[in-house]
Parts: sequence; structure tokens; C-alpha cells
Amino acid sequence: AQSVTQLGSHVSVSEGALVLLRCNYSSSVPPYLFWYVQYPNQGLQLLLKYTSAATLVKGINGFEAEFKKSETSFHLTKPSAHMSDAAEYFCAVRALNTPLVFGKGTRLSVIA
Amino acid sequence: EADIYQTPRYLVIGTGKKITLECSQTMGHDKMYWYQQDPGMELHLIHYSYGVNSTEKGDLSSESTVSRIRTEHFPLTLESARPSHTSQYLCACRADRGPETQYFGPGTRLLVL
Repeated sequence: AQSVTQLGSHVSVSEGALVLLRCNYSSSVPPYLFWYVQYPNQGLQLLLKYTSAATLVKGINGFEAEFKKSETSFHLTKPSAHMSDAAEYFCAVRALNTPLVFGKGTRLSVIA
Repeated sequence: EADIYQTPRYLVIGTGKKITLECSQTMGHDKMYWYQQDPGMELHLIHYSYGVNSTEKGDLSSESTVSRIRTEHFPLTLESARPSHTSQYLCACRADRGPETQYFGPGTRLLVL
């Protein structure tokens, strides 16, 4: 079975500062890992995904994440936060032929 | 841009009414999902389907039912709506191959009075 833990239900950063959203996973088999973003009153949009190719994955809007097997982590980063990055972020894990399992989400606030 | 649609986007309805939330996708994906999400909270999988005539219950027990008569259509029905059903319902789909991306619809926000 797979599970995801997102550390911090709410993260607040200043505009231009580094964004770091933490995600740890548990999986008995090699996982596929995903980060999604959700803006108010909308569905989820894929930011990036790890599929066992490169461990450093680049996504949309300047976000990237690094898969670290030894730490069972898949943290999301962005060098410089923008006001438009304020949203809810979900980490998710899936093994082959199983449904996605989501973390509880992290709300990112960006302060001007 | 994902071609997955949900209607209605917003629904206010009285207790005891029967409702059907529609979800359609034009990508030909075999796998479809329904999630329930309270505002600002995590997503809970309530139903999924791996193809026509295939439906399974998810991790969260739900009084809703689903059907999958056509590949592109995965409606969710509540026979008798209650205030406890007030939530956002998200539909999703993905192709049946490896690490394929799961695409989400815009959601239906349901309020039961």
C-alpha cells in the first residue's frame, strides 16, 4: 500500500523567496510520484511527475522536485515565489495499476 | 489542456432530492475516478472505474453510486441528497498505461439544504 505525508498544512513565504513544500511517501514497490496544484474553485492541475527516469524533475511555472529514494522524499521547490503561486498543493503517489493516493495538501501563501 | 468536463459546476438542492453529477472526457481514457473534497481539505477517492461495465468503491464510504456504460461518461448519482453530502466532487481520468498523468475536471460544488 502507498501513503503520502505532507509536512505543514500551511506555508507562508515572501514574494521572491524560496518555496519548499515537503512530501514523504511510503510505497512497497517503486512508485510514481506527482505534484498537483489547485486554485480556488478549480480542479487539480499537474505540476510535475516522477516516473523513474531523472531524479530531478522540472515542471510548469518554474517548479521542480527531487526524488530521493534514501529519504523517501519528493519535495517541491521554486527558487522565487510569485503572488500567482498562492494555491493548495497536493503530493500524490501511485504504484502500477493502483489509484492515486493523495497527501492532505499544503496551502501556500505568498506575502507581498 | 485536459478534455474532461463536469456539470453542473454548482448545485444547490433540497434534502431528499435525487441528483446526478455528470462527468465526460473526450480522451478515450479507460480509467476514471470520483473524489470528494471538503473546502481546503484532502481528496478522498469514492469510486473508480477501469473500463466499461467496471466500477469499484474507493477508500471513503459513500452513499453515492456510479455507472460506466460508455467509455467517455462516468456519472455519479445520489438517490436522496442530505446535508452531509455537501462537498466538492472532482472527476478524473487517465490512460491505462504506466505513469500516465491523471487529469481532473473542474469539479462540482454541491450544497444540500
